[in-house]
Amino acid sequence: AQSVTQPDIHITVSEGASLELRCNYSYGATPYLFWYVQSPGQGLQLLLKYFSGDTLVQGIKGFEAEFKRSQSSFNLRKPSVHWSDAAEYFCARLEYGNKLVFGAGTILRVKS
Amino acid sequence: DAEITQSPRHKITETGRQVTLACHQTWNHNNMFWYRQDLGHGLRLIHYSYGVQDTNKGEVSDGYSVSRSNTEDLPLTLESAASSQTSVYFCASSEGTGVTGELFFGEGSRLTVL
Repeated sequence: AQSVTQPDIHITVSEGASLELRCNYSYGATPYLFWYVQSPGQGLQLLLKYFSGDTLVQGIKGFEAEFKRSQSSFNLRKPSVHWSDAAEYFCARLEYGNKLVFGAGTILRVKS
Repeated sequence: DAEITQSPRHKITETGRQVTLACHQTWNHNNMFWYRQDLGHGLRLIHYSYGVQDTNKGEVSDGYSVSRSNTEDLPLTLESAASSQTSVYFCASSEGTGVTGELFFGEGSRLTVL
């Protein structure tokens, strides 16, 4: 079965520092990949998605992600983190039938 | 604005009780999904529906059921609640045509089974 792995359960970065959250997917045809963010007590919001084409995709809130087929990765990045970015981030892959398979999530803490 | 709403937002129940979580969307989306969120597991798919009268089992469907009598609603029922079903439940919907993948999520229902 297709799967998504987020190796880091927690990450702490200083405000203003750069951020990279890791995501790996299991081997398969060109995957449809997503990053969602969940603020405390809220539902999930789509940050960005990759279907095909340019491997560097831009999203909302200053986030970007790069698809690397050779590494089976789709890492999320932001050049300068703000305190409001503290949240849980989920990588997901689309399965047949428009179903999403989620990674376990990475909790981002931002220290001032 | 179109939206997706879940109720109740918080529920405490006892083992063995029947519980129904409501999900209502106003986007007229054909696809609706129920996920549960547990620490260390991310979101796991419980049941989903591609349209009226269509329901399908997901990864963790045991102990849960859904019904789809109209486009807007997909209630999730726990027939006999168990402590292992203590979780946060999210309903989501998406358009039915093409590969869009973008799910729109409700704000979640936190269920505690004592």
